[in-house]
Amino acid sequence: KQEVTQIPAALSVPEGENLVLNCSFTDSAIYNLQWFRQDPGKGLTSLLLIQSSQREQTSGRLNASLDKSSGRSTLYIAASQPGDSATYLCAVLSNAGNMLTFGGGTRLMVKP
Amino acid sequence: GAVVSQHPSWVICKSGTSVKIECRSLDFQATTMFWYRQFPKQSLMLMATSNEGSKATYEQGVEKDKFLINHASLTLSTLTVTSAHPEDSSFYICSAKQRDKSSYNSPLHFGNGTRLTVT
Repeated sequence: KQEVTQIPAALSVPEGENLVLNCSFTDSAIYNLQWFRQDPGKGLTSLLLIQSSQREQTSGRLNASLDKSSGRSTLYIAASQPGDSATYLCAVLSNAGNMLTFGGGTRLMVKP
Repeated sequence: GAVVSQHPSWVICKSGTSVKIECRSLDFQATTMFWYRQFPKQSLMLMATSNEGSKATYEQGVEKDKFLINHASLTLSTLTVTSAHPEDSSFYICSAKQRDKSSYNSPLHFGNGTRLTVT
């Protein structure tokens, strides 16, 4: 059974800092890995999707990497802003059954 | 871009009543829709997978007679929480897989969620 873990669970940083969020998964048989953003009480916004054959994806100040063999992904946020404050979730789509398994999320607070 | 509309965004109901939540794909056809539940400060847990025109597949521990899922068209899936109890209070989110898109390289599209409070 796939298990996804995110570290840290919570993070508070001053504005402008570069930061890294970590995601690990136990079963490397995945189609892809996705990073989402969730604002309080809201749905999910897809940030980046990395296919299992890819190593990284970039969108603006966000860069996500994937090391499938070691079961790890990182989300790098450059020059953080208060508007980046949210919960960031990673999720892996497993080969078996098209099931998306979520990590517990990292609650990010960027202080002005 | 692909938009998933979920309605209502919040609902309060009395214990013992039933509540229906709708999930619509507005500008695309969704052969598969997923229903998740999220308790406070926890991650999303998949409840069930619904395929258009067939019965939903429920995850272990999810009562199919309590959480009725109907996916009658390519743009609409509904989740009905029957005989709701306070422990059913949660945040319910749906997502949709776009028809003719591969799960391999296309993200799922999520609704904005429904906050259910059972009193």
